[in-house]
Amino acid sequence: EVQLVESGGGLVKPGGSLRLSCAASGFTFTNAWMSWVRQAPGKGLEWVGRIKSKTDGGTIDYAAPVKGRFTISRDDSKNTLYLQMNSLKTEDTAVYYCTTVSVKNWGQGTLVTVSS
Amino acid sequence: DIVMTQTPLSSPVPLGQPASISCRSSQSLVHSDGNTYLSWLQQRPGQPPRLLIYKISNRFSGVPDRFSGSGAGTDFTLKISRVKSEDVGVYYCMQGAQFPQTFGQGTKVEIK
Repeated sequence: EVQLVESGGGLVKPGGSLRLSCAASGFTFTNAWMSWVRQAPGKGLEWVGRIKSKTDGGTIDYAAPVKGRFTISRDDSKNTLYLQMNSLKTEDTAVYYCTTVSVKNWGQGTLVTVSS
Repeated sequence: DIVMTQTPLSSPVPLGQPASISCRSSQSLVHSDGNTYLSWLQQRPGQPPRLLIYKISNRFSGVPDRFSGSGAGTDFTLKISRVKSEDVGVYYCMQGAQFPQTFGQGTKVEIK
């Protein structure tokens, strides 16, 4: 059974940092292209960024609102995806989901609240 | 970026009646590989999104056959043949044909 489990969310002040993790199991993570998608309270879905598999070049791409502040990485030895978030803004408040690029599999999400 | 526009944004439907949601993209979703990467997602209250339909009309594993997708090019439709109480939630179309992936605004389906 495919499982994606996010962790690391919480309350952080504007300008602060947070690192999210997504532990994957039940599929060959090494070959998977992975994405982060977020959802602000009461709002729709917004793509944050993606990372290709290392065999496909490992390219990382970001949505414009987070480019230069967020960093996606992966540790294939731990089957884990990461999202390092720096210079956080109040508008980054959202539930952050880890998903395969095909969107066939989603985690439960982790809530990030940016507030003073 | 490709803009995805859904209509209606809200759809009150009596139990057992059909529901239909439209999704229009600002550009063709036909990829250079010949596939059309249009998906439909369901998000029940308090739950993460769940894939229902991929590549216009393919039901994902475990999705009931009362859900069907159709369309081509830039115009797509999700139909629920007979709405059940467990179908309440928000439905999103999503394109994966062109980077970056983009989502529609969402359509709220509720029981009338």
